[in-house]
Amino acid sequence: EDQVTQSPEALRLQEGESSSLNCSYTVSGLRGLFWYRQDPGKGPEFLFTLYSAGEEKEKERLKATLTKKESFLHITAPKPEDSATYLCAVQARGSGTYKYIFGTGTRLKVLA
Amino acid sequence: DGGITQSPKYLFRKEGQNVTLSCEQNLNHDAMYWYRQDPGQGLRLIYYSQIVNDFQKGDIAEGYSVSREKKESFPLTVTSAQKNPTAFYLCASSIMYRGNTEAFFGQGTRLTVV
Repeated sequence: EDQVTQSPEALRLQEGESSSLNCSYTVSGLRGLFWYRQDPGKGPEFLFTLYSAGEEKEKERLKATLTKKESFLHITAPKPEDSATYLCAVQARGSGTYKYIFGTGTRLKVLA
Repeated sequence: DGGITQSPKYLFRKEGQNVTLSCEQNLNHDAMYWYRQDPGQGLRLIYYSQIVNDFQKGDIAEGYSVSREKKESFPLTVTSAQKNPTAFYLCASSIMYRGNTEAFFGQGTRLTVV
């Protein structure tokens, strides 16, 4: 069964303290891996799409990377405004459908 | 501005009542989706539509119904058969169902049973 697992569930960082969020997946035939940011009471905001192992994408303090089994969202020198829940999703070929499968997210809190 | 608009933002339902959540997009996307989000759980797919006048059940379709009469619109009805409807509902769209592309989301509707 296609599955996405995110870790840690929650993370507290001091402002400027860099860290990484993990998204591990077991799917048969990855079509794409997607990162989103979700603020409380809001819909997810699209961040990145990754398609193949070795691919990297960057946006301001965020950098997403992809291997054959997992993806990392690296946050460099975070600021309090980076506090949010970060969601990972995959689209897999093997299930015969093109559904997006979501992880449960990592709740990030950046302290000033 | 292109995007997805969900309304209302908050909705209260009485026991035994059907309610309809609105979702409109002006992105010219073919595919549209409804998800339910509960605390501590990932987004779960309720229904999806690949194209106008077509829709399929997702993983948790029981107690819900949809229609897709226009490309821009994909309303979700939460029926009285849905026993635990209190949740945050998210509508999304993507260029095409088989497009290997990202989905974009609306701002959500929080439904509460009173």
